[in-house]
Amino acid sequence: DADVTQTPRNRITKTGKRIMLECSQTKGHDRMYWYRQDPGLGLRLIYYSFDVKDINKGEISDGYSVSRQAQAKFSLSLESAIPNQTALYFCATESGTGSTEAFFGQGTRLTVV
Amino acid sequence: AQSVAQPEDQVNVAEGNPLTVKCTYSVSGNPYLFWYVQYPNRGLQFLLKYITGDNLVKGSYGFEAEFNKSQTSFHLKKPSALVSDSALYFCAVRGNGQAGTALIFGKGTTLSVSS
Repeated sequence: DADVTQTPRNRITKTGKRIMLECSQTKGHDRMYWYRQDPGLGLRLIYYSFDVKDINKGEISDGYSVSRQAQAKFSLSLESAIPNQTALYFCATESGTGSTEAFFGQGTRLTVV
Repeated sequence: AQSVAQPEDQVNVAEGNPLTVKCTYSVSGNPYLFWYVQYPNRGLQFLLKYITGDNLVKGSYGFEAEFNKSQTSFHLKKPSALVSDSALYFCAVRGNGQAGTALIFGKGTTLSVSS
């Protein structure tokens, strides 16, 4: 089983719909991240959480919200999806020391039509 | 604010030749630096990191990187490229040498190795 699991792997949704992307990890890590990947723009940070009671905005948090339901679970919501949120979304986890590598999920390809 | 730049969108190299993928960073204090690789339709995989100590760090698949504090650079290198090295490479940085900052990525560099 994967250390970091994202669901769904692919989703097509309509403009204005609410959608939730889920991430779960078995690494026992405190830190979790949500990034989006767009061609030519690399990975941009949406939200991150350093423990269950900690939520922080990244550089592109507008239009998104998150919930850290447990140490192992970190979900990303698009309250009202719009076409420019079409992207590849990645969840990542890392230990609390900051000096170890991050582990990434396989990604969720979201298309908003 | 911390940032990382990868000045080349694409690097082309012939198989067997050395390769370099460039990365520069801007942070306050001492950086934690990372390289990741992404193959098509896959998530990112860790290659190597610099935390402290020797400026030349070695990682997976024969890759290495050199930390240069005066030039604020962390270039990825490999002495002899393979076609299978073709992928998208990301440099990442955490600033201040502190655990309390987020991991920030560059825009990525596509490496193309021709046979």
